Amino acid sequence: QSALTQPRSVSGSPGQSVTISCTGTTDDVGAYNFVSWYQQSPGTVPKLLLYEVSQRPSGVPDRFSGFKSGNTASLTISGLQAEDEADYYCTSYAGTHVIFGGGTKLTVV
Amino acid sequence: QVQLVDSGGDLVKPGGSLRLTCSASGFTFSAYFMIWVRQAPGKGLEWVSHISDTGRFAKYSDSVKGRFTMSRDNAKNSMYLQMDSLRAEDTAVYYCARVSWGPTWAFNIWGRGTSVTVSS
Repeated sequence: QSALTQPRSVSGSPGQSVTISCTGTTDDVGAYNFVSWYQQSPGTVPKLLLYEVSQRPSGVPDRFSGFKSGNTASLTISGLQAEDEADYYCTSYAGTHVIFGGGTKLTVV
Repeated sequence: QVQLVDSGGDLVKPGGSLRLTCSASGFTFSAYFMIWVRQAPGKGLEWVSHISDTGRFAKYSDSVKGRFTMSRDNAKNSMYLQMDSLRAEDTAVYYCARVSWGPTWAFNIWGRGTSVTVSS
């Protein structure tokens, strides 16, 4: 039950795009399309951003998009805004359990 | 209003026990898998356990297997996490969350979290 691998931090300027990767194995990310992404600002509850790799829940801007290739999923945030500064976590179903990524801190500089 | 309210967190000594409760409202609780996720201070999110819609089966992370028991009472729209043999490393905010219908293994509704501190 090892954590999915995410970069510890990424940064970008307002208006730019950033991509956060999430690498697993053939037992989790590579095996299922049940990859989801969460945004967590300091002191708040995680918020679902994407599910089933690339699906956006109602209310999530289309600036957030997802993709998967093999054992790696990715979250792209385009048109960065100051309010996007937060921690981002990926998760994957793994057959009998769920695995979270270690989290990525996004800084908007 | 769709809502989850988690409660029961407290300060407990190593080796002690605690029971967390998650109360649901605003949706058909019995139709959804549910999950507990924890976050240690300054750390990331960690899956703890999940339970099927009927409560027939529950799965646990290796770090809590044999010590924690997840259950639910659909008649009371509630689920529980019985935590025994607590260790310092169990110190965290514990969130209950709803698994999106399917299940799609996305967690679209979260409680506000309840804080568990294990310390002598």
